[in-house]
Amino acid sequence: KNEVEQSPQNLTAQEGEFITINCSYSVGISALHWLQQHPGGGIVSLFMLSSGKKKHGRLIATINIQEKHSSLHITASHPRDSAVYICAVNSGGSNYKLTFGKGTLLTVNP
Amino acid sequence: DTEVTQTPKHLVMGMTNKKSLKCEQHMGHRAMYWYKQKAKKPPELMFVYSYEKLSINESVPSRFSPECPNSSLLNLHLHALQPEDSALYLCASSQPGRDGDTQYFGPGTRLTVL
Repeated sequence: KNEVEQSPQNLTAQEGEFITINCSYSVGISALHWLQQHPGGGIVSLFMLSSGKKKHGRLIATINIQEKHSSLHITASHPRDSAVYICAVNSGGSNYKLTFGKGTLLTVNP
Repeated sequence: DTEVTQTPKHLVMGMTNKKSLKCEQHMGHRAMYWYKQKAKKPPELMFVYSYEKLSINESVPSRFSPECPNSSLLNLHLHALQPEDSALYLCASSQPGRDGDTQYFGPGTRLTVL
């Protein structure tokens, strides 16, 4: 079993819809990261969380440390949000090593 | 400047060639990373340099040789690669902190080994 599980693996939405991507992890962590990767492209770090909630524009990330669960929400989705969203955690006392989830492929149709 | 640059963007090489990938950042970060990413998979960590010293080597074959000439530059020297080494190679940097560091990724070098 992967230490970091994401759901769903694939998600198709219509423009304007509210989107939620979930991440569960099974290890103790010092931080959780949400990353975005467009097809064929580099990776952009969206959020780093150790507790609570963060918001940036239309993106909101939450984490529940007790339940070992995080969610990434996108409000008023747009076709340019189409990308792979990856959850990753720092664990095992290492600030350098990230354990990655397998990613969620989001497609937003106009 | 929050940019990590990588050159070249694309590289095609034969199994007997020697080539190098380059990565540069001017954010003052003291940790730099090499990742390998195959299609539809998450990145796999290869190496980490912390304060210009090799901190992590994830049992990478010796045909990959990293080098950190200074705090802004990171190279990956390639020699006698195999076709299965074809992948997207990503560089990243971060500023070491207490509770996990935000990593800033470059656009990657798409490597094809013939």
